[in-house]
Amino acid sequence: AQKVTQAQTEISVVEKEDVTLDCVYETRDTTYYLFWYKQPPSGELVFLIRRNSFDEQNEISGRYSWNFQKSTSSFNFTITASQVVDSAVYFCALKAYNTDKLIFGTGTRLQVFP
Amino acid sequence: EAGVAQSPRYKIIEKRQSVAFWCNPISGHATLYWYQQILGQGPKLLIQFQNNGVVDDSQLPKDRFSAERLKGVDSTLKIQPAKLEDSAVYLCASSLMAFRRSGMSIARETQYFGPGTRLLVL
Repeated sequence: AQKVTQAQTEISVVEKEDVTLDCVYETRDTTYYLFWYKQPPSGELVFLIRRNSFDEQNEISGRYSWNFQKSTSSFNFTITASQVVDSAVYFCALKAYNTDKLIFGTGTRLQVFP
Repeated sequence: EAGVAQSPRYKIIEKRQSVAFWCNPISGHATLYWYQQILGQGPKLLIQFQNNGVVDDSQLPKDRFSAERLKGVDSTLKIQPAKLEDSAVYLCASSLMAFRRSGMSIARETQYFGPGTRLLVL
């Protein structure tokens, strides 16, 4: 069975702090995709990144970085120098290669205070 | 490029009433998904269309929920009659359809979501 666990329900930080959102997944598939989505108060899920299971290189995009570790089944997301606009719920999701169904975690609510 | 459009954005109804949601996917996206997101949870897939055919509706409560995508573009999701536990955000997403392999079409990996419809059943 596939499962995504985001153990952190809510995180609060002060602006300019770095913050890491954890994601642990379970799957028996050898080929799969991992995603991060951002859900601001407006409700729309905004795609942030997709990573396939064969690519364990870490990725950096501006203040965002992702650490994919297959050995620990984790795909963690770090925001450097957080800003108030980063306040949102962040979802990690898993998809097997041969299906289209996204399995979401329960999300982590990030609040960045000025 | 326009994103996924949904309407209405908000809806309040009483239990046992009917309600319908509309979704227009990103132009050219053959695959369309409806998700239900209950407060405090991640989205859960209700139904997936590829063009106008249903690919997966295993988690759709078919006694009260129905969906269609008659012309392979926009789609409607209906609840009839609504229950209190249907209060949720209903998200529509779309993705490109990728190559055919062994006779199967596989949707592109990334799903793009609309703003959702927030439903409150009283």
